[in-house]
Amino acid sequence: DTAVSQTPKYLVTQMGNDKSIKCEQNLGHDTMYWYKQDSKKFLKIMFSYNNKELIINETVPNRFSPKSPDKAHLNLHINSLELGDSAVYFCASSQDQTGTPNNEQFFGPGTRLTVL
Amino acid sequence: KQEVTQIPAALSVPEGENLVLNCSFTDSAIYNLQWFRQDPGKGLTSLLLIQSSQREQTSGRLNASLDKSSGRSTLYIAASQPGDSATYLCAVWSAGNMLTFGGGTRLMVKP
Repeated sequence: DTAVSQTPKYLVTQMGNDKSIKCEQNLGHDTMYWYKQDSKKFLKIMFSYNNKELIINETVPNRFSPKSPDKAHLNLHINSLELGDSAVYFCASSQDQTGTPNNEQFFGPGTRLTVL
Repeated sequence: KQEVTQIPAALSVPEGENLVLNCSFTDSAIYNLQWFRQDPGKGLTSLLLIQSSQREQTSGRLNASLDKSSGRSTLYIAASQPGDSATYLCAVWSAGNMLTFGGGTRLMVKP
């Protein structure tokens, strides 16, 4: 009965490869997010989708492409992986859009990506 | 651009102490502020959400206050326990639809 789930939990891959991380939420929320937590533990928002539509795209290289097949899923595809992409990626969801009162965010367990 | 700072960066206390974690933000035009807990190697757990119109929120031994005009929030933990050991993160929603996180306070409660 996990609220926000991500797969895989760990991902180790070589530079130049393409990989995907999947996220699903069973909370019935309309908005989903991807965050990156770097080695210094700083969390930064990457993307936000509301009802399958992109609403935030924060200066992320276009090698990163989010895809939302439905409002319960937001996957992250990364092309041509680089060493600097190594981080923990968190998916999150909230009932409403950003900037509205009811947008308490619930996070997934994270995916630790290591690029060799 | 919103910036969020958390002080102290690390804190070690004996069990049973009451403690205060501080969060400050540079742009007072926020929608709300959220406190999270992160255990090592784990995701974030939402602790408290304070709307911009509210002054405080309480949940069990946790109390979070918000002073929007001065750009400050505090998280008060009463009667700390070893199980409270974790990193505590403060995040604010502000104009531009951004959730900006502080760097966190790493708390260790010793038995």
